[in-house]
Parts: sequence; structure tokens; C-alpha cells
Amino acid sequence: AQSVTQLDSHVSVSEGTPVLLRCNYSSSYSPSLFWYVQHPNKGLQLLLKYTSAATLVKGINGFEAEFKKSETSFHLTKPSAHMSDAAEYFCVVSAQNSGYSTLTFGKGTMLLVSP
Amino acid sequence: DTEVTQTPKHLVMGMTNKKSLKCEQHMGHRAMYWYKQKAKKPPELMFVYSYEKLSINESVPSRFSPECPNSSLLNLHLHALQPEDSALYLCASSQIRGTQTYEQYFGPGTRLTVT
Repeated sequence: AQSVTQLDSHVSVSEGTPVLLRCNYSSSYSPSLFWYVQHPNKGLQLLLKYTSAATLVKGINGFEAEFKKSETSFHLTKPSAHMSDAAEYFCVVSAQNSGYSTLTFGKGTMLLVSP
Repeated sequence: DTEVTQTPKHLVMGMTNKKSLKCEQHMGHRAMYWYKQKAKKPPELMFVYSYEKLSINESVPSRFSPECPNSSLLNLHLHALQPEDSALYLCASSQIRGTQTYEQYFGPGTRLTVT
């Protein structure tokens, strides 16, 4: 069984300051992990993915995440927040079945960015 | 091209209507998914198609009827819906290749309102 815990339901930052969105996972085998972003009334956009290659994963728009097996964490960071980063962020763990994947979503973290 | 398209963007329907949602992708993906997302919640999986065959039905009521006419198209037929079915309906697709986990690409969604 797999699960994902996003430790903060809301995170507020000022524009230009660092962003940290926290995610812990539970998986009975080597997981595939993703971060997705969802802007209001939009679909989900893939930010980055970890699939057992490099533990530091770089994504789009300056985001990156580090896979730490010992801590079962996959936190998302960005050095400097931009107003356009304000959105809902989902940490996701994937299970591979016979040909398709099933995603387990965290409950989401709403990132608020103030000027 | 990593685009999944969905039509219509918005749909308002009465409880006695019949309507259909459409999803299309041209990435050669052989797995396609329907999700339902309520406000401030993560997406919930409804159906999975793998090689145009229904692989998962997450105990979805029969008033939702999926169809995969070919490898690029996914439909969701709606009939006799209830107001609680109002939500954002998301389509996604992913590759299938051996046991490797591939990310899912999401469409922009259809905002459904049942009156």
C-alpha cells in the first residue's frame, strides 16, 4: 500500500523568498514520485518526477525536489517565489500495474504568494 | 507535443439530460484515465483504459459510462446525473512500456454543473 502526506495545507511566502513544500511518502517498494501543480480551474501540470535515477530532481519553472529514502521525504523547493507560482501543489506516488499507473495523491498544499 | 485536450470546457446539464465529455491525445499513449475532482480536493480516479480496454472501474455509478473508441479518444457519457456529480472532470494519459512507471499528462478538465 502507498500513501502520501503533505505536511502543510497552506504555505504563504513573499515574492522573491524561498519556497518549501513538504511531502512524506509511504511505499512498500521503490517509489515513483511526482509533483503536480494546479492553477485555479485548470488541469494538473507535471512539475517534476523521480523514478530512481538522480535523487535531486530538477523540474520546470525553477522548482526542484530531493528524494531522501532515509526520511521517506520528497520536498519541493524553489529559491525565489514568483507571483505566478500561487497555486495548489500535489505530491503524488505512483504504482505501476500491468501497463498503466495508479496515482495516490496527497491532499494538496495551497501556495500563497504575496507581493 | 504533450497535450491532452478536453471538450467542452464547461457543461451545465439537468438531471434528465444525456451529455458526453470528450478527451483526445496524440502522444501515442495507450493508457487513458478519467478523474473527478471536487473543490479543494485531489483528483479521484474513476476509470482506467489500457490498450482501449477498461482496466479499472472504481465503483463508479452506472450513470457514468466510459468509452474508448480508439487509442487517441476517450469519452465519458453522462445520464441522469445528480447535483452532487457537479465537479471538474479530468482526463489523463500515459505511456505503457514494460514495467517502467510513466507520468500521467492531464487535460484542462471539463467543469460540470448539474442543476
